[in-house]
Amino acid sequence: QVRLQESGPGLVKPSGTLSLTCAVSGGSISSNNWWSWVRQPPGKGLEWIAKIFHRGSTDYNSSLKSRVTISVDKAKNQFSLRLSSVTAADTAVYYCAREKGARPEGDAFDIWGQGTLVTVSS
Amino acid sequence: QSVLTQPPSVSGAPGQGVSISCSGSSSNIGSGYDVHWYQQLPGTAPRLLIYDNNNRPSGIPDRFSGSKSGTSASLAIAGLQGEDEADYYCQSYDTSLGHGIFGGGTKLTVL
Repeated sequence: QVRLQESGPGLVKPSGTLSLTCAVSGGSISSNNWWSWVRQPPGKGLEWIAKIFHRGSTDYNSSLKSRVTISVDKAKNQFSLRLSSVTAADTAVYYCAREKGARPEGDAFDIWGQGTLVTVSS
Repeated sequence: QSVLTQPPSVSGAPGQGVSISCSGSSSNIGSGYDVHWYQQLPGTAPRLLIYDNNNRPSGIPDRFSGSKSGTSASLAIAGLQGEDEADYYCQSYDTSLGHGIFGGGTKLTVL
């Protein structure tokens, strides 16, 4: 079955750029699914960040759009997140997730990575 | 504050049933967009529990059910078990924001 695995630095300095990668195994990133990043600050709820389709279409949370870039690498079967100008408020567990379909309004997230904690601190 | 409103906490005794509400508006649930529910056990990633309002993925017990009416949705859990103690989140699409949204989450305590 499809599995997702996040990777990237666990510590980022304030004003720096957070970079994470989600490796897809057991399936193709070129399937008919959108691929997303979702984050969860410690002790708080879930926040959707961005999503990408393998053909390159993207969508971003309007509150983060100016700082976020999502990209896909079909050759490596993975997708990535970059979040610039980070502050302590960006400290969170970052999850990558797959939408079970490709509807314009989005679908449920049926597969999640285990998550990776990113701390913003000097 | 989340666009989708959930009660911060609910509780119930083993064997009893509970319901978790997810209140939205005319720009999301009320516009006919589907609602999905997730269970998040402590220290783990969310798990899809209900999709498209009332459908269970393979492996989810039929003790879990979902419904939607008007601008709200509900998750019902029958026959509570200790392993159900977790955080539960609803999710939908908001046409004003132009992207998916989560509720603030509800902590279920099994007494």
